[in-house]
Amino acid sequence: GAVVSQHPSWVICKSGTSVKIECRSLDFQATTMFWYRQFPKQSLMLMATSNEGSKATYEQGVEKDKFLINHASLTLSTLTVTSAHPEDSSFYICSAIGTRISYEQYFGPGTRLTVT
Amino acid sequence: AQRVTQPEKLLSVFKGAPVELKCNYSYSGSPELFWYVQYSRQRLQLLLRHISRESIKGFTADLNKGETSFHLKKPFAQEEDSAMYYCALGAASGSRLTFGEGTQLTVNP
Repeated sequence: GAVVSQHPSWVICKSGTSVKIECRSLDFQATTMFWYRQFPKQSLMLMATSNEGSKATYEQGVEKDKFLINHASLTLSTLTVTSAHPEDSSFYICSAIGTRISYEQYFGPGTRLTVT
Repeated sequence: AQRVTQPEKLLSVFKGAPVELKCNYSYSGSPELFWYVQYSRQRLQLLLRHISRESIKGFTADLNKGETSFHLKKPFAQEEDSAMYYCALGAASGSRLTFGEGTQLTVNP
């Protein structure tokens, strides 16, 4: 149990376009989801915390208007990278916390975004 | 501010040897500490949580508040332990995590 999926697993887009990444909890309800960014051979950096039905809380230095997060249901959160630029190319990972085991974050497999 | 330091980016040991992955943290409150592991081409998964004080896959980790450390240890490393290990700090259950830089462990035959 406690599986988190992400779609797409990889995406290539042109500079200036927007890309939406989905994060789903498949077999549990996720009250909180987190979005991370990971550069090659570097650690995960938290971008934002998303609670169902409320606005996301962004970490310092993360542009809210650039990285739009929506957590409309207990099983789905989306991250939209707006007007993407090559420097947005990265690995984006989501995680979710369920209602039963509140301390454990279950991670998705990640989405590789390449902006050309 | 929360900070996690893993001083070793790479660690290589031989099978059967003891292994210790170091983790130090900085946090003014009462921390919750975790070790996450990422095997090749797999997602990140929880290995240990300091509160549970259990041993998973032969790994243990003890929180030392005096030294602000949470080192991960295993007395006899196995080849299947080769992976990326991340130490993570949370302020409370279910809260945001701050990850260390990670240590790539390689266990040689």
